[in-house]
Amino acid sequence: EIVMTQSPATLSVSPGERVTLSCRASQSVSSNLAWYQQKPGQAPRLLIYDASTRATDIPARFSGSGSGTEFTLTISSLQSGDFAVYYCQQYNNYPPCSFGQGTKLEIK
Amino acid sequence: EVQLLESGGGLVQPGGSLRLSCAASGFHFSTYTMSWVRQAPGKGLEWVSAISGGGSTYYGDSVRGRFTISRDNSKNTLYLQMNSLRAEDTAIYYCASPARGAIRPGDYWGQGTLVTVSS
Repeated sequence: EIVMTQSPATLSVSPGERVTLSCRASQSVSSNLAWYQQKPGQAPRLLIYDASTRATDIPARFSGSGSGTEFTLTISSLQSGDFAVYYCQQYNNYPPCSFGQGTKLEIK
Repeated sequence: EVQLLESGGGLVQPGGSLRLSCAASGFHFSTYTMSWVRQAPGKGLEWVSAISGGGSTYYGDSVRGRFTISRDNSKNTLYLQMNSLRAEDTAIYYCASPARGAIRPGDYWGQGTLVTVSS
């Protein structure tokens, strides 16, 4: 089983700031990595797939990078609607797949 | 437009059974690998199970031997039969599908159905 580890668990930031979230895989997943945003009471929403490709209708302020075992999600200028929990997910040789434990972005 | 609509959740006693359904529309359901993902209250996402268009099945370690995934392509419906339920199975259960031509689980999600295992 591939274990995904996200850091930090919580990040306190101000609107307008640039933020970088990290995700590490216990073994290489190539570029088979997705990022999701989840707001309270809602289903997850796909932001990034294949490590760096934005999903449909996702704003350009969201960007992903990395390959192998190290990945990052960057939000260039935080807006109020971006405060949420973010999950990474590996889908190398899917199925199966696995998620990180999440990073919560909260308003400073 | 892709739509996924889960149903069948509810309150069940430990050791009991429940069958979840996910009605799909807006895409060629029969050719897609479909997944179930769950989220315990206040916790993160956990992949539960998947089934390919051809019917091959896959399970997470925590549910293998207790849950059975299936599909009825004539009804565009995905199922999850859950037996020997435990308190730790309490969660919102989502079904998820890929985008057209993709081999990844989560382009589209349903709204989820809540399963509560408690006496």
